[in-house]
Amino acid sequence: QQQVKQSPQSLIVQKGGISIINCAYENTAFDYFPWYQQFPGKGPALLIAIRPDVSEKKEGRFTISFNKSAKQFSLHIMDSQPGDSATYFCAAQGAQKLVFGQGTRLTINP
Amino acid sequence: DAGVIQSPRHEVTEMGQEVTLRCKPISGHNSLFWYRQTMMRGLELLIYFNNNVPIDDSGMPEDRFSAKMPNASFSTLKIQPSEPRDSAVYFCASRMTSGSSGELFFGEGSRLTVL
Repeated sequence: QQQVKQSPQSLIVQKGGISIINCAYENTAFDYFPWYQQFPGKGPALLIAIRPDVSEKKEGRFTISFNKSAKQFSLHIMDSQPGDSATYFCAAQGAQKLVFGQGTRLTINP
Repeated sequence: DAGVIQSPRHEVTEMGQEVTLRCKPISGHNSLFWYRQTMMRGLELLIYFNNNVPIDDSGMPEDRFSAKMPNASFSTLKIQPSEPRDSAVYFCASRMTSGSSGELFFGEGSRLTVL
């Protein structure tokens, strides 16, 4: 079922730095690419999403970069803050099914 | 809005026992999904329903797992008999089916431990 590969598995960034998480997919039928954020003991929550007809989407400190030809997309968190420490999942949707990457545990050191 | 409500939040049971997890989706949402989360396999889609009808259950691990959605406001995931390898956090999620996207809203999960 694993059709979305995510890296790295864990990431430590200093406060104020840039956090970058990468994902790659195989199925060209995917047409919607969200990122979800999960805090301990909670369910994942939508952070930001992009469609493949756009190469970049920015919402505040969070940016998705999308490369359709390479079948890759990434999440950039600018000016990373301790409150951003969480697990991040990329996902891809096709035929109403949302397939998740393995997750990246992000830690922002103060 | 109360969000997606799951129960129980925690369940500890012994191998061989039946486990039933429950979910109440957000009112007005017509799609419901069951996911399982483990460290090794991440978030796996088990089954999803549209308008109370199971659409795809290809992610259900084996016949020990079954899911039902008798009405728009309630779904169950049952494991019988349970095994230690079923230990995981089970999430229910719901959304409006509008075109090919739509934000998926997750519950807080049911943490299952099978001894």
